[in-house]
Amino acid sequence: DGGITQSPKYLFRKEGQNVTLSCEQNLNHDAMYWYRQDPGQGLRLIYYSQIVNDFQKGDIAEGYSVSREKKESFPLTVTSAQKNPTAFYLCASSQTSGGDADTQYFGPGTRLTVL
Amino acid sequence: GQQLNQSPQSMFIQEGEDVSMNCTSSSIFNTWLWYKQDPGEGPVLLIALYKAGELTSNGRLTAQFGITRKDSFLNISASIPSDVGIYFCAGPFTGGGNKLTFGTGTQLKVEL
Repeated sequence: DGGITQSPKYLFRKEGQNVTLSCEQNLNHDAMYWYRQDPGQGLRLIYYSQIVNDFQKGDIAEGYSVSREKKESFPLTVTSAQKNPTAFYLCASSQTSGGDADTQYFGPGTRLTVL
Repeated sequence: GQQLNQSPQSMFIQEGEDVSMNCTSSSIFNTWLWYKQDPGEGPVLLIALYKAGELTSNGRLTAQFGITRKDSFLNISASIPSDVGIYFCAGPFTGGGNKLTFGTGTQLKVEL
């Protein structure tokens, strides 16, 4: 089955520790995205990547880092510099051309709790 | 910058009722997307609209691309308990980069 997987579903970390969230897609999409969602809020873009080995900051990139070494993978690291890291993190992917280029498909999310 | 305003913010309805929500933009969109997010899950695409005036259905869901290209509507007929969730509209960010601008969401709660 084609889709996007995120692991783990729930993640607990102590304050001050870096943590990496996994996102993998087998949809052969060029673009991948990371969003943060706080309770009762909408989606805020952290980072996005339109092609392998390239990525851009979104609206709230401070305290986060990403890499895009493979087309199918876009891991997100939440660093200790992120002041309020507890949130629900969503990964998405999309085509970059063609009729479906604007449509993003989401993974199931990772809920990160920093204690 | 671009903004998408969704209304209502939340709604409580009885099972079997029809539901209507809308999304308005400060700028023109060429595509409108409607997503549903179940609690604790990622958003799932419901309907994609690509042409002004377009009316598209997906089961009990119907969405319309406003003719001004600055708004879109989502209707749910004969609501059932599993319709509970948050509904988001989205459109392509005009600054490029294959990014989307998302609405603030409409939370739907269904009373049995």
